[in-house]
Amino acid sequence: DAKTTQPPSMDCAEGRAANLPCNHSTISGNEYVYWYRQIHSQGPQYIIHGLKNNETNEMASLIITEDRKSSTLILPHATLRDTAVYYCIVRVRNKLVFGAGTILRVKS
Amino acid sequence: NAGVMQNPRHLVRRRGQEARLRCSPMKGHSHVYWYRQLPEEGLKFMVYLQKENIIDESGMPKERFSAEFPKEGPSILRIQQVVRGDSAAYFCASSLGGAETQYFGPGTRLLVL
Repeated sequence: DAKTTQPPSMDCAEGRAANLPCNHSTISGNEYVYWYRQIHSQGPQYIIHGLKNNETNEMASLIITEDRKSSTLILPHATLRDTAVYYCIVRVRNKLVFGAGTILRVKS
Repeated sequence: NAGVMQNPRHLVRRRGQEARLRCSPMKGHSHVYWYRQLPEEGLKFMVYLQKENIIDESGMPKERFSAEFPKEGPSILRIQQVVRGDSAAYFCASSLGGAETQYFGPGTRLLVL
């Protein structure tokens, strides 16, 4: 019952920007978009979240379209350590509904 | 500033035994969530608790599973009479408030023989 759609995998060259897309066409007006990543089988790591406006922090930038039906996570300078599964999540009340995510492979 | 802590990190049980998984939230967080990740699958929400209260247990299996978050001490996820299908990684997350960002612990990997 995930409310998001992501490509199953992507490759990125080390040092280049990684742009991870996500579709969430059924998102409601007050639902936030969250991004987490999971490296190997570690606990999910919070990256960033947003509602309407674009957001940036020390890890990444989040670009949300004006109609809020899609977003893009940008890792500005990907490193090998950014290889992970990236989850785009629309928060439903108090729970995070994880989909299959995107496997990002950063290659040297 | 310690993050979410879970113990044990690995737990091996034989079928029919009980498993107890512990989660200590981040300092100042009073909201705890449990998620389960079966092999090769994504995380699935199980239960959401505040101190001494279960707020949402819509993802908990109806039998053998229970969770608590007492006034003092860690949150406990208890699985009675474990079966092989319970083998999974169990992750705990905590947040400052119910609508705040959830931060995850390292997980407990349960293996049922």
